[in-house]
Amino acid sequence: GQNIDQPTEMTATEGAIVQINCTYQTSGFNGLFWYQQHAGEAPTFLSYNVLDGLEEKGRFSSFLSRSKGYSYLLLKELQMKDSASYLCAAMDSNYQLIWGAGTKLIIKP
Amino acid sequence: DTAVSQTPKYLVTQMGNDKSIKCEQNLGHDTMYWYKQDSKKFLKIMFSYNNKELIINETVPNRFSPKSPDKAHLNLHINSLELGDSAVYFCASSHEISERGETQYFGPGTRLLVL
Repeated sequence: GQNIDQPTEMTATEGAIVQINCTYQTSGFNGLFWYQQHAGEAPTFLSYNVLDGLEEKGRFSSFLSRSKGYSYLLLKELQMKDSASYLCAAMDSNYQLIWGAGTKLIIKP
Repeated sequence: DTAVSQTPKYLVTQMGNDKSIKCEQNLGHDTMYWYKQDSKKFLKIMFSYNNKELIINETVPNRFSPKSPDKAHLNLHINSLELGDSAVYFCASSHEISERGETQYFGPGTRLLVL
């Protein structure tokens, strides 16, 4: 079956760094997406990885290891506005997104 | 300038009723989607549709049906609403599937409560 695993909740301190991990099992693989979803709002796109390695975009970076079925989202210099759920989604061989349940990130002052 | 819009934003209705949710995108995208996000926050794909193919998640009851009058619209019709249909429904769109995964842009969601 197809499956995405990510932690349910994480807590971090303002100004710190946090890494949110995601492991996936899909029928075929066409890339890994990270989305941010604030409470009561729609998911918004953060990053896409299809090749192994790290992609950096400002304070956010995303890493992929295809051989390990593993990705992480790294958030630096955390701000209070980063409090949100972070959704990992893997695209399968049919180009369908398989979504994780999301990791709720709580930022404390 | 809203990229993906949905109406209504909130929908409260009685069990057994039939309702529709509308979705429009002005991004020129070829593919549109409907997702259901339940109380546990899982996003579950219900349908994906472009002008060539409708892909239905086999777990979706046939009380749910997408209707696309044109490329920019994908409406969701729900017949005989049940309590378990209460959830947030998101519409999304993307360019046609290509070798590189295309980003999906989401609408604001429709919060459906069935009483």
